Amino acid sequence: GENVEQHPSTLSVQEGDSAVIKCTYSDSASNYFPWYKQELGKRPQLIIDIRSNVGEKKDQRIAVTLNKTAKHFSLHITETQPEDSAVYFCAASLTAGNQFYFGTGTSLTVIP
Amino acid sequence: GAVVSQHPSWVICKSGTSVKIECRSLDFQATTMFWYRQFPKQSLMLMATSNEGSKATYEQGVEKDKFLINHASLTLSTLTVTSAHPEDSSFYICSARDGGRAGYNSPLHFGNGTRLTVT
Repeated sequence: GENVEQHPSTLSVQEGDSAVIKCTYSDSASNYFPWYKQELGKRPQLIIDIRSNVGEKKDQRIAVTLNKTAKHFSLHITETQPEDSAVYFCAASLTAGNQFYFGTGTSLTVIP
Repeated sequence: GAVVSQHPSWVICKSGTSVKIECRSLDFQATTMFWYRQFPKQSLMLMATSNEGSKATYEQGVEKDKFLINHASLTLSTLTVTSAHPEDSSFYICSARDGGRAGYNSPLHFGNGTRLTVT
């Protein structure tokens, strides 16, 4: 199956700075890459996603880039705020199987 | 938006008993639902894919006789942890895609999760 790796596992940034989280995947058939934010004890919430026919997508302070050749994609959060503090998961979805495989998660702390 | 409801949110049971967790898609039909397990401060590990009207597909290392999955309708999947032991204590979370709207490339919607504690 798919193998998704995520780095870093923890990340601390000052409020207002940018945060970048990177993921790689192994299966070239994967064509859908969502990012989820999970606050403590709560369900993961989709924050942004990207499909394989697009190289970059932006939604206000959040952006995602995808390099299909290198099989990696990244989450970029600009002008970070304390409420951005959470665990972020990347995921990859196979075309046929329909399953999602998640990265190991990044615990982001935004220091006021 | 698509809503997935999971019940119960928290359960404590004695070792050796069985626990059933329900996952419902409230405003869409889900021919496929996914069951994940999450240990504290760790990622979501896919346990099995639940298919309506057919047998579930289990990931490698997951005991199908231990974690029974039933997907009897387009809106309900259940996970039963049989003969639970303390090592089964974990956060179990279901999810589903609204395949009717966007097919393969649609987001995964999660239930609130079930925290299982086996004493």
